[in-house]
Amino acid sequence: DAMVIQNPRYQVTQFGKPVTLSCSQTLNHNVMYWYQQKSSQAPKLLFHYYDKDFNNEADTPDNFQSRRPNTSFCFLDIRSPGLGDAAMYLCATSRDLSGNTEAFFGQGTRLTVV
Amino acid sequence: KNEVEQSPQNLTAQEGEFITINCSYSVGISALHWLQQHPGGGIVSLFMLSSGKKKHGRLIATINIQEKHSSLHITASHPRDSAVYICAVAFSNTDKLIFGTGTRLQVFP
Repeated sequence: DAMVIQNPRYQVTQFGKPVTLSCSQTLNHNVMYWYQQKSSQAPKLLFHYYDKDFNNEADTPDNFQSRRPNTSFCFLDIRSPGLGDAAMYLCATSRDLSGNTEAFFGQGTRLTVV
Repeated sequence: KNEVEQSPQNLTAQEGEFITINCSYSVGISALHWLQQHPGGGIVSLFMLSSGKKKHGRLIATINIQEKHSSLHITASHPRDSAVYICAVAFSNTDKLIFGTGTRLQVFP
C-alpha cells in the first residue's frame, strides 16, 4: 500500500498560471519534504516542514510556496510557473530530521509548462 | 564542503552479471542511503546504513567509513533491475540529504 501519495502523477499547466501539487502520507511522520528533479539531475531540496515549522532552502525561488494544513497533507504551490519550472516534483517524509531515519518517497508529479 | 560522487554514471550489463555501483563522499556522515528510481519517477529506499554491510535479496550494500565510500552490488542482475540508482548522504553537519547524480543501469536479456 502506498504510504506517500502524490497527486496528480502528471500535471500540465500554462505559463504563468498558478498550480498546486499535492502530497499525503499515512505514516504520521513529522517531516515532509519537497524536491525538484530536472532531467538527468539529482533531486534538489526546495523546502521541508518539521511538524508545522517551515524551512525554506536559501536558493528556492519565491515563486515556490508550501502549505501543510495538517500532519497528513502538504502542498506545493507554484505561483507563476515558467518554462524552467518543468520538472519532476518529489514529496518525501521521514520520522524526524536525523539522517539516520529512513525517507519514504512518493511517485512524483511530472509538471509540464506550456 | 558536503559532496557526493557516484560512479559510473551509466552502466549496461547482460542478464546474470554482477553489478557494482560506487559512491564516495567528502566528510563525516550520519547515514548513507541507496535509492532506486524507475522510469516514471518514483523513488524507493533500498538501504540505509551507517556502518558495515546490509543484504536484501540480490542487493548488497557496504560502507567503509574510513575510506568514505559505499558500494551497491546486484547479484544475478535481471532486466527488471534497470533503473537509476541514487546514493544520498546525511552529513553529520547538516540535517539534509545530499544526493548523488545517480547511476543509470540497463540490464539486457
